[in-house]
Amino acid sequence: QTVVTQEPSFSVSPGGTVTLTCGLSSDSVSSSYYPSWYQQTPGQAPRTLIYNTNTRSSGVPDRFSGSILGNKAALTITGAQADDECDYYCVLYMRSGISVFGGGTKVTVL
Amino acid sequence: EVQLLESGGGLVQPGGSLRLSCAGSGFTFSNYAMNWVRQAPGKGLEWVSSISGTGGSTYYADSVKGRFTISRDNPTNTLYLQMNSLRAEDTAVYYCAKRSGITVSNTSPADWGQGTLVTVSS
Repeated sequence: QTVVTQEPSFSVSPGGTVTLTCGLSSDSVSSSYYPSWYQQTPGQAPRTLIYNTNTRSSGVPDRFSGSILGNKAALTITGAQADDECDYYCVLYMRSGISVFGGGTKVTVL
Repeated sequence: EVQLLESGGGLVQPGGSLRLSCAGSGFTFSNYAMNWVRQAPGKGLEWVSSISGTGGSTYYADSVKGRFTISRDNPTNTLYLQMNSLRAEDTAVYYCAKRSGITVSNTSPADWGQGTLVTVSS
C-alpha cells in the first residue's frame, strides 16, 4: 500500500515563508512522479496551484512555487497572507496509472 | 474558460447504483484525460478513477475496482462514473477533474468541477 505523507499542520506568520513537503513511504519523490499541489478552503472545490513539479497553474501568484527538496516534493509559500490559511494537498502519479493523494496539510497564518 | 459541471449525485441505499455525469466546456474535451476524485465528509481527497482522452485506458483505486466504471462520450463532451454496489463508505463529494494532458500517464489533475454529493444510507 503506497502512502503519500504530508505534515498534518503548519503555522506561519503573516509575511513569512513556509515549505510544505510531500513524501513517499517507500521511495524518494522525483519529478517522474509528477507531483502537484492543490489548495482547498472549507466547502469549496480544490484549486490547482502547481502541477508537474513546478508549473504554476494559470492565475496563481508567483509566491507559490514547487520543487523537489531532497527526497520529497515541496510547496513553498512566500509572503504568507491571511487567505492562505486553508488545506493543501499533494498528489503523486504512480507509474501503474493510479494517483495517490497525501493526507493534506492544514496551514494556519498567525 | 474551462468549466466542469457534475450532476447525478443524491441519496441511495446501500447496495444501490448511481451514475454521475460531468459536462465539460471551454476546452477540446477529447484532448484531455479526465478523472474522478472524491472527498468524504471531514476527510481528505481520494483519487477514484482516470480515463485517457480516447477512452482507451482506464484506471481505478482498489477501493472501487470492480464496482465503479468510468467512461466518456467525446462527441457530447461528457464524462461518466457508473457506481454499483454502493457502500456507506462511498459517501462523499465527487469531483470531476481535467488532467493536464491527453494521457493519464505523466499528467495530473489541473481543473476541477464544483462537485456533487453522493450519500449512501438506508
